[in-house]
Amino acid sequence: DAKTTQPTSMDCAEGRAANLPCNHSTISGNEYVYWYRQIHSQGPQYIIHGLKNNETNEMASLIITEDRKSSTLILPHATLRDTAVYYCIAAPSQAAGNKLTFGGGTRVLVKP
Amino acid sequence: EAGVVQSPRYKIIEKKQPVAFWCNPISGHNTLYWYLQNLGQGPELLIRYENEEAVDDSQLPKDRFSAERLKGVDSTLKIQPAELGDSAVYLCASSFSGGNTEAFFGQGTRLTVV
Repeated sequence: DAKTTQPTSMDCAEGRAANLPCNHSTISGNEYVYWYRQIHSQGPQYIIHGLKNNETNEMASLIITEDRKSSTLILPHATLRDTAVYYCIAAPSQAAGNKLTFGGGTRVLVKP
Repeated sequence: EAGVVQSPRYKIIEKKQPVAFWCNPISGHNTLYWYLQNLGQGPELLIRYENEEAVDDSQLPKDRFSAERLKGVDSTLKIQPAELGDSAVYLCASSFSGGNTEAFFGQGTRLTVV
């Protein structure tokens, strides 16, 4: 799996958009970008994934650059419950049963 | 529908004692994963099952760790004997094998070895 690089931590204001960057400059053509988050004392939770096109669901939006070397997870209106560690992972399709290789993630603190 | 269920939630044991963790995946999920998470770090894969077959156990320390998934449903992870460095959270996850689907994680078992 390609290595990903994320900031160690970031703060954001409640009600504002949170933009979480991720670099994956060595990503290969068959690797997707996955985002998971882990709230304190819970297991990781899937957020979103994409290959080339931007993706949006009820939780977040994923913007992938045209060269696919970086991406941004956007939480449109951050709430206090979004405080968590966010993991960006580059991996082949999970359908292939490939393991998810978690890095250190970004510790996001949403402040009132 | 219940998610991935793990038990116990917490476990404290003395070093050199055995310990076992249990996982019940989401119904119908063929793939089951066991992850280890040390404090302040991301989860690391220990073993992955496709039905009852362990297809990736390269990261499992086989001298003291063992796992089984009888009948391709529930799974048990065992450590014998436990060492102080085994203190961590042990996470179980499951997913469908077909299609590009997400993995669902349990809440984990927090092990403390004293």
